[in-house]
Amino acid sequence: EVQLVESGGGLVQPGGSLKLSCAASGFTFSGSAMHWVRQASGKGLEWVGRIRNKANNYATAYAASVKGRFTISRDDSKNTAYLQMNSLKTEDTAVYYCTRLLYIADGNWFDPWGQGTLVTVSP
Amino acid sequence: QSVLTQPPSASGTPGQRVTISCSGSSSNIGSNYVNWYQHLPGTAPKVVIYSNNQRPSGAPDRFSGSKSGTSASLAISGLQSEDEADYYCVAWDDSLFGWVFGGGTKLTVL
Repeated sequence: EVQLVESGGGLVQPGGSLKLSCAASGFTFSGSAMHWVRQASGKGLEWVGRIRNKANNYATAYAASVKGRFTISRDDSKNTAYLQMNSLKTEDTAVYYCTRLLYIADGNWFDPWGQGTLVTVSP
Repeated sequence: QSVLTQPPSASGTPGQRVTISCSGSSSNIGSNYVNWYQHLPGTAPKVVIYSNNQRPSGAPDRFSGSKSGTSASLAISGLQSEDEADYYCVAWDDSLFGWVFGGGTKLTVL
């Protein structure tokens, strides 16, 4: 079964740090680009960033709202992607999803998605 | 404010056809494919349309998509109660160098 499982969410104070993990199974993780998407309560989905595979030099890209504060990494030997979040702000409070960008001949889309992990930034 | 603009809500009765619009710019919809996701609370988002108008395996043929210039639309025909969900359009943005989502449209089946 193709599956992603996030972990590491929790309560953190403004200015603090947190590291999320995304464990993959059921597909060739090392060949996949992995993305993080978040959703604040009552708000829409927001793309956070991505890391490409080894063939693409593990290139990363980030949304402007998190650039310079968040870092995405991966360990292909553990089939796991990570989201390191520093200098957290209250507006970073959200459910964080990891997802794979699935490529086929005529397009690409995010699939599968994890179940999400809640990050709460509060004093 | 989201880069892609969707109406916050839409509604229809069972059997009706509803459409959801998504407006962007030349750097996103105007030059890249649009995907549409269905999101039910507490579940993972699911793609219903990719590459503007393609249905992935498993998506009902009641769902269709189109794109013209810098706008895209999702149409759902023969509306069913299980279609009640939030729908998001998304596209790559060449200027922002990232994926951009619409703000989402809450579809209510009356």
